[in-house]
Amino acid sequence: SQTIHQWPATLVQPVGSPLSLECTVEGTSNPNLYWYRQAAGRGLQLLFYSVGIGQISSEVPQNLSASRPQDRQFILSSKKLLLSDSGFYLCAWSVSWDYGYTFGSGTRLTVV
Amino acid sequence: GNSVTQMEGPVTLSEEAFLTINCTYTATGYPSLFWYVQYPGEGLQLLLKATKADDKGSNKGFEATYRKETTSFHLEKGSVQVSDSAVYFCALTIHGSSNTGKLIFGQGTTLQVKP
Repeated sequence: SQTIHQWPATLVQPVGSPLSLECTVEGTSNPNLYWYRQAAGRGLQLLFYSVGIGQISSEVPQNLSASRPQDRQFILSSKKLLLSDSGFYLCAWSVSWDYGYTFGSGTRLTVV
Repeated sequence: GNSVTQMEGPVTLSEEAFLTINCTYTATGYPSLFWYVQYPGEGLQLLLKATKADDKGSNKGFEATYRKETTSFHLEKGSVQVSDSAVYFCALTIHGSSNTGKLIFGQGTTLQVKP
């Protein structure tokens, strides 16, 4: 069966510090991978998606970047965090447009 | 463009009440429609889906029918429980959307069920 792992679950980081969030998928090959952010009390904003190794598409200009070094690994990074980067970050995978997503359990990031 | 609009919350109901959460969409192509549920502090879980007009998705007592004529996908449940308290998201993807399968979400509707 397919599983998705996301870590850490919670993170408190000072402004200006770097960030690395990791997401891995098991039990499937060549998934589409996604990073979403959910700000407090708000909806979901698509940040990045990837349809293959090394292929990253950015949906919004921001302080973050993403990489896909392996087929089932998706990393969200920042060189210098801003207060506005606080939120709940969700990784998800899908195999086709009508399959829907499977989400990870999320990382709650608080920038202080 | 493509978008999803949900009724604003919070929706507060007593246990065993009937639930409807409205969802309408606009789409430039032919969408598949989804409902996701997010319990407090957790990620999102797929609740149900429908991939073509007049399809009915159902799961855990929840139902939604894909209505192309009204561009709607309203979520219903006949008798809610306290454990149904969560945020519900309506979403769509477009057929053949460059194979990216990007989900477009509504803003979410918070449901609170009181005993």
